[in-house]
Amino acid sequence: DGGITQSPKYLFRKEGQNVTLSCEQNLNHDAMYWYRQDPGQGLRLIYYSQIVNDFQKGDIAEGYSVSREKKESFPLTVTSAQKNPTAFYLCASSFDRGGGYGYTFGSGTRLTVV
Amino acid sequence: GQSLEQPSEVTAVEGAIVQINCTYQTSGFYGLSWYQQHDGGAPTFLSYNALDGLEETGRFSSFLSRSDSYGYLLLQELQMKDSASYFCAVRDRTPLVFGKGTRLSVIA
Repeated sequence: DGGITQSPKYLFRKEGQNVTLSCEQNLNHDAMYWYRQDPGQGLRLIYYSQIVNDFQKGDIAEGYSVSREKKESFPLTVTSAQKNPTAFYLCASSFDRGGGYGYTFGSGTRLTVV
Repeated sequence: GQSLEQPSEVTAVEGAIVQINCTYQTSGFYGLSWYQQHDGGAPTFLSYNALDGLEETGRFSSFLSRSDSYGYLLLQELQMKDSASYFCAVRDRTPLVFGKGTRLSVIA
C-alpha cells in the first residue's frame, strides 16, 4: 500500500544540535509539506515543495531547512537556531482526485529537547 | 491572510448526532476540508467540499456555504471511537491552512 513514512517516531535533541527528520512517500505525489503541531494547537506550516528541486517557506520557517532532491523524499532539518523545537512534526503530500483535494499524512515524529 | 474559527471542545452522548462548525476568512477560496486526529496519531482526511451543499460519507457528512464562509461536519450515530480532534482546513492558492481543532468527547 502507498503511504508516507516518517522516521524516527521519537527523537531527542541536545541543545545546540542539528537533527534531520526523514519523510518518504511512494504515492507519486508532486507536492509535499512539513507542519508543526504543539499540544492543543492546530498545524502550522514550516516548508512546502511543489516540485523536485524547489521549495518555499511557510509561516514558521525560521530555524528549519529542507531539501527536495527526489520526488519521494522531503527531509526536514531542525537547526540549533530553532529555539523551541519540542513539538510533533508531520509530513504530508497532497492529492487531487474525484473525492476531492486533501493531504495524506505520515505518522509523525515527536521531537524533544533534552 | 486566512483565519478559521471552530469550537475548542464539544461533548456528546454515544449514539447521538453532533455538529462541528467552522467559519473562515480567506482572500481566495477553493474548498473546505475536514480531518480527524486521535491522540498521538496523525490527521486523516475525512471530506472535502468545493461547492455549496452537503456531502455524505457513511456516518459523516460535511456542509459548505460559500456565501456565508461557513461549513460544518456532522457526525451521526456517535461511537466511542469518534472521540478525537477534528480540524477544518481551507484551500486557497497556498497550502492548506488549518483551524486549531475541536476536541470531541463521546460519553456513554
